[in-house]
Amino acid sequence: AQKVTQAQTEISVVEKEDVTLDCVYETRDTTYYLFWYKQPPSGELVFLIRRNSFDEQNEISGRYSWNFQKSTSSFNFTITASQVVDSAVYFCALSANTGNQFYFGTGTSLTVIP
Amino acid sequence: SQTIHQWPATLVQPVGSPLSLECTVEGTSNPNLYWYRQAAGRGLQLLFYSVGIGQISSEVPQNLSASRPQDRQFILSSKKLLLSDSGFYLCAWRQYGGNEKLFFGSGTQLSVL
Repeated sequence: AQKVTQAQTEISVVEKEDVTLDCVYETRDTTYYLFWYKQPPSGELVFLIRRNSFDEQNEISGRYSWNFQKSTSSFNFTITASQVVDSAVYFCALSANTGNQFYFGTGTSLTVIP
Repeated sequence: SQTIHQWPATLVQPVGSPLSLECTVEGTSNPNLYWYRQAAGRGLQLLFYSVGIGQISSEVPQNLSASRPQDRQFILSSKKLLLSDSGFYLCAWRQYGGNEKLFFGSGTQLSVL
């Protein structure tokens, strides 16, 4: 079975603070892919990043960074110097190499207070 | 380029009425298609997915059904809506392969009254 857990339901930070969104996954597949999506108030989901299970290098894209650790089955997302425009619901997702399902976590609602 | 169309954007239906939501993809062939539901303040629940015409896999048994009459058309239906069917419905597609990301439609906000 595959499962994605985002234990943080809601987070509020003051603008310019750093914030980390946690994601823990479960899968029996040895090859799998992890994703993060952003859902702004408009509702449409925006793709942020994809990682495969063989690449544990951390990735940085501007103020965004991702920490993938297979040892703890985690794929955490950090926003540095948060801005009001970062306010959204963020989803972590898992897709195994076998099968066609694509599973999302329950999401973390981030509010950045000006 | 590929695009995904989903309609209607909003829908208000009485309990017991039928439902039909349509999703079409352009610019690609043989995509994997998905229906998700997002209840208010909740996560994305995978309802159905399809890897080809007439091939539907159901993730959660419930009051809904899905059909894929054409390669790039995915329809979500119900014969009789329940209050609990209210939510935000999202259609998505991707190319075959576990490594491919999903592309989402703009969603349908369904209110069952």
